[in-house]
Amino acid sequence: DTGVSQNPRHKITKRGQNVTFRCDPISEHNRLYWYRQTLGQGPEFLTYFQNEAQLEKSRLLSDRFSAERPKGSFSTLEIQRTEQGDSAMYLCASSKGQGGSWPQHFGDGTRLSIL
Amino acid sequence: DQQVKQNSPSLSVQEGRISILNCDYTNSMFDYFLWYKKYPAEGPTFLISISSIKDKNEDGRFTVFLNKSAKHLSLHIVPSQPGDSAVYFCAARVGSQGNLIFGKGTKLSVKP
Repeated sequence: DTGVSQNPRHKITKRGQNVTFRCDPISEHNRLYWYRQTLGQGPEFLTYFQNEAQLEKSRLLSDRFSAERPKGSFSTLEIQRTEQGDSAMYLCASSKGQGGSWPQHFGDGTRLSIL
Repeated sequence: DQQVKQNSPSLSVQEGRISILNCDYTNSMFDYFLWYKKYPAEGPTFLISISSIKDKNEDGRFTVFLNKSAKHLSLHIVPSQPGDSAVYFCAARVGSQGNLIFGKGTKLSVKP
């Protein structure tokens, strides 16, 4: 299996700009998750998909954030009008199913820095 | 309100000895617990998990113990190796939801 792939690895942008990240999950994994991690914290859940359906969103996901998984394969996370507080590592994970016997496997993340 | 707590930010252990990483939780609805290891500049890597209906799960050098009455779990690494030096995250899952809730992590340093 190739692992979860995230692009870009790093993104530096000015406040107020829009950014988009991409995640390619492990093939045949039907669940895809987005998390955000800041310094000294564990990953915090943002949203997840089962196939192309977005099933849950965290209250952390403000209306400036939107995620899609159009064909149930790769996913994109867009942040509009970025703010300083959006600086974080954005992690994507995938799993075969919901059960605990199907753990989530993480990519290496996209580090976002807002100038 | 932190539902998963790792109260030790760091732990230092001698190579060959046992490393014990602890985790406490507050939500009795959690049905699965997982441990992840994270190296700098990499994403978390799954290590081992345990269902809430079990009290022990073992995989090679890694053993996870669950004490439901105390709402406490621990990860034992025996013997510890320098390559085990990383940040370890405890995570928990509520069965009806898809997401994991993570602790803040414990940085393990294994000294040769």
